[in-house]
Amino acid sequence: DGGITQSPKYLFRKEGQNVTLSCEQNLNHDAMYWYRQDPGQGLRLIYYSQIVNDFQKGDIAEGYSVSREKKESFPLTVTSAQKNPTAFYLCASSILGTSGETQYFGPGTRLLVL
Amino acid sequence: QQQVKQSPQSLIVQKGGISIINCAYENTAFDYFPWYQQFPGKGPALLIAIRPDVSEKKEGRFTISFNKSAKQFSLHIMDSQPGDSATYFCAASRRSNMLTFGGGTRLMVKP
Repeated sequence: DGGITQSPKYLFRKEGQNVTLSCEQNLNHDAMYWYRQDPGQGLRLIYYSQIVNDFQKGDIAEGYSVSREKKESFPLTVTSAQKNPTAFYLCASSILGTSGETQYFGPGTRLLVL
Repeated sequence: QQQVKQSPQSLIVQKGGISIINCAYENTAFDYFPWYQQFPGKGPALLIAIRPDVSEKKEGRFTISFNKSAKQFSLHIMDSQPGDSATYFCAASRRSNMLTFGGGTRLMVKP
């Protein structure tokens, strides 16, 4: 059963703590993305990767970091530098094309600050 | 800077009615315009998409209308059903996989 999995479903962060959100896909997609979703603001791109060991900053990368050591995995770390981390985080993947490639989304992780 | 503006933010429609969600874009280089549907607590999923060489695309009860000169596109849901209650996002991309999303519309279809 192909798809994208994200874990955990809920994550709680304490002050000054770094937390890592997991994203795995078995669709054999080259491109992977991380979005942040806040009410009324749509989806904003944090980071994306088009190939293993390479990734690019999106519109709101400050306070976040990623790695892409394997094609199937694209974990996102929310660092203590991110002062307002409470949000719904979505991971997506797509094949690598010139335009109009469908992005497939995972079920999301909701991050809450204690 | 929001390159894709979506309206309304929320919409209530009676069962059987027509739901209409509008989006406007600024960048004339955009060449792909998808709509995504998101149910509560889930990730968005592609609903329907259009390219600027056509003015309308229909899939079942869902239709995209595209006005290139006005830089606007809209989603029409005919015979709206309670199961259509979800958040809808328009998006646009420019010769790449990168999507710019609108702010979303929360649709509620009353039985």
